[in-house]
Amino acid sequence: AQSVTQLGSHVSVSEGALVLLRCNYSSSVPPYLFWYVQYPNQGLQLLLKYTTGATLVKGINGFEAEFKKSETSFHLTKPSAHMSDAAEYFCAVTQNTGGFKTIFGAGTRLFVKA
Amino acid sequence: SAVISQKPSRDICQRGTSLTIQCQVDSQVTMMFWYRQQPGQSLTLIATANQGSEATYESGFVIDKFPISRPNLTFSTLTVSNMSPEDSSIYLCSVGGDLSNYGYTFGSGTRLTVV
Repeated sequence: AQSVTQLGSHVSVSEGALVLLRCNYSSSVPPYLFWYVQYPNQGLQLLLKYTTGATLVKGINGFEAEFKKSETSFHLTKPSAHMSDAAEYFCAVTQNTGGFKTIFGAGTRLFVKA
Repeated sequence: SAVISQKPSRDICQRGTSLTIQCQVDSQVTMMFWYRQQPGQSLTLIATANQGSEATYESGFVIDKFPISRPNLTFSTLTVSNMSPEDSSIYLCSVGGDLSNYGYTFGSGTRLTVV
């Protein structure tokens, strides 16, 4: 069965500092991996996705993530945090096991300090 | 990517009543899903809405409580039946198509409060 683990329910960084949000997954077949962002009282917005090909994927708002099969990880990074990055971030994994299904991690709330 | 219109955006309902949430997509999509996000929690998949057949429900969710319709490739409804305060959540519709586009579009959600 597939699962997603996000390390740290809360992460706090200073403005301008590196953002690192961790995501590990388990999947019996090659997964599709996603990061979503949710701002307060809003729906989910796709940040980036990995399906096939290049393992380093770039997304919106300066975020990127690297798929590391050997580590079963898909960590999200941004070189320099901005106040507007404060939000909830969800890692998700999808696999085709006779029907596509997406499982979400518990989420990480990012706080950005001035 | 597909554009999803989800209605209503929010509602306050009395316990024991039912609410039907609509999800309209601007293009034909292969897959439609319904998720629940309880306060302060992550998203949990309720079911996959199958066109022309009964929905596929995840463990812990049953058709009597969450009946789903999918009459065509652009529309689906989720009904929350016999509501209790524990059903207060955000309900989201999600759609996917080919592999490169799968699962990345969500509706804006329906914020349900049961009193």
